[in-house]
Amino acid sequence: QKEVEQNSGPLSVPEGAIASLNCTYSDRGSQSFFWYRQYSGKSPELIMSIYSNGDKEDGRFTAQLNKASQYVSLLIRDSQPSDSATYLCALVYYGNNRLAFGKGNQVVVIP
Amino acid sequence: NAGVTQTPKFQVLKTGQSMTLQCAQDMNHNSMYWYRQDPGMGLRLIYYSASEGTTDKGEVPNGYNVSRLNKREFSLRLESAAPSQTSVYFCASSEATGPYGYTFGSGTRLTVV
Repeated sequence: QKEVEQNSGPLSVPEGAIASLNCTYSDRGSQSFFWYRQYSGKSPELIMSIYSNGDKEDGRFTAQLNKASQYVSLLIRDSQPSDSATYLCALVYYGNNRLAFGKGNQVVVIP
Repeated sequence: NAGVTQTPKFQVLKTGQSMTLQCAQDMNHNSMYWYRQDPGMGLRLIYYSASEGTTDKGEVPNGYNVSRLNKREFSLRLESAAPSQTSVYFCASSEATGPYGYTFGSGTRLTVV
């Protein structure tokens, strides 16, 4: 059973629009959630962390967490070509304190 | 501030050869990890070290060994490389296991022919 699901295919958005990414998870005990950005050929880079239900904003990024429904999302406002990357959802397993990653969603921002 | 340094960046091995991937961090982190990333499979944990002197298996440990040499260094060894080990390998570190984000190294692209 996959613990972290990112099912959407590549997402193309026009420059200036909002990109919305979703992630669902199976471990109800998970408490810590992260979004990583990975440019092609580069390593993952942490861009957001969220631990409580609700929204957390950091610049153009907003992470949303709903533990009852077991999903976490990432919104990118005013998308820029530099936001074109793969975004990885990750969470800490309850009980073993290790990160599990989703397969990622590719975002392409079209100028 | 270098963060997490991995060497080498690229490597081509013949089937059956051995090699060690090196990883060092200068952030005084306690926990270190080795992941592999394959197309369509995402990041999968090979081994991790919660603290100096301890190592544990992750999701895909077969064919690999690790050594936590000291607090800074965590190496990954392939004793007898197989084509199935062709992948991009990432080392990462964190302040501790638990609710902390990881800092990743730049990766090693390994091809086994």
